Amino acid sequence: RKEVEQDPGPFNVPEGATVAFNCTYSNSASQSFFWYRQDCRKEPKLLMSVYSSGNEDGRFTAQLNRASQYISLLIRDSKLSDSATYLCVVNGPNTGNQFYFGTGTSLTVIP
Amino acid sequence: EAGVAQSPRYKIIEKRQSVAFWCNPISGHATLYWYQQILGQGPKLLIQFQNNGVVDDSQLPKDRFSAERLKGVDSTLKIQPAKLEDSAVYLCASSLVLGPQETQYFGPGTRLLVL
Repeated sequence: RKEVEQDPGPFNVPEGATVAFNCTYSNSASQSFFWYRQDCRKEPKLLMSVYSSGNEDGRFTAQLNRASQYISLLIRDSKLSDSATYLCVVNGPNTGNQFYFGTGTSLTVIP
Repeated sequence: EAGVAQSPRYKIIEKRQSVAFWCNPISGHATLYWYQQILGQGPKLLIQFQNNGVVDDSQLPKDRFSAERLKGVDSTLKIQPAKLEDSAVYLCASSLVLGPQETQYFGPGTRLLVL
């Protein structure tokens, strides 16, 4: 079983729409959680960390459900510039704190 | 602040040849990671250094891959001999310290094509 699983999409949404991505992780002892954004042919960049209480950054809201072992990302009022691949990342509890990346969810915002 | 530097940006080789990639992390970052990203997949950790020591290399195919970070700064990743399935983007990342909440900063990657 993969450490982190995501629906690869693609998600094609019109500008202004709200879109949500989910991600599940297999290890209940995982310590920390992130969403990274990767533009086409570019490197991943941190979008936001995900905290147990949930956190919001402008149009982006991240939630963590430890009981069900899933993480979500909500994007409100989608912009064309939001088109990218969104990678779910989980930090394991093993020595060295290895980061596990999902396969990513592709989002295209359509004019 | 300068980001993570990698070279070369692109490399095309034939199978069974050798190739090396170089990474210079952000100044002062103690932790350095090498990832392999195959098309359509997320990055997969190959090896993780804390200063010049290896923290985790459990997913590094040691029969053909090697990596070093001799002075705790720059790092090289080598493949010898390369196979067709090694075609991927090799990403180097660094973080200030080793810890579960640390932000990783990625370099632009080296795109390797093995023919």
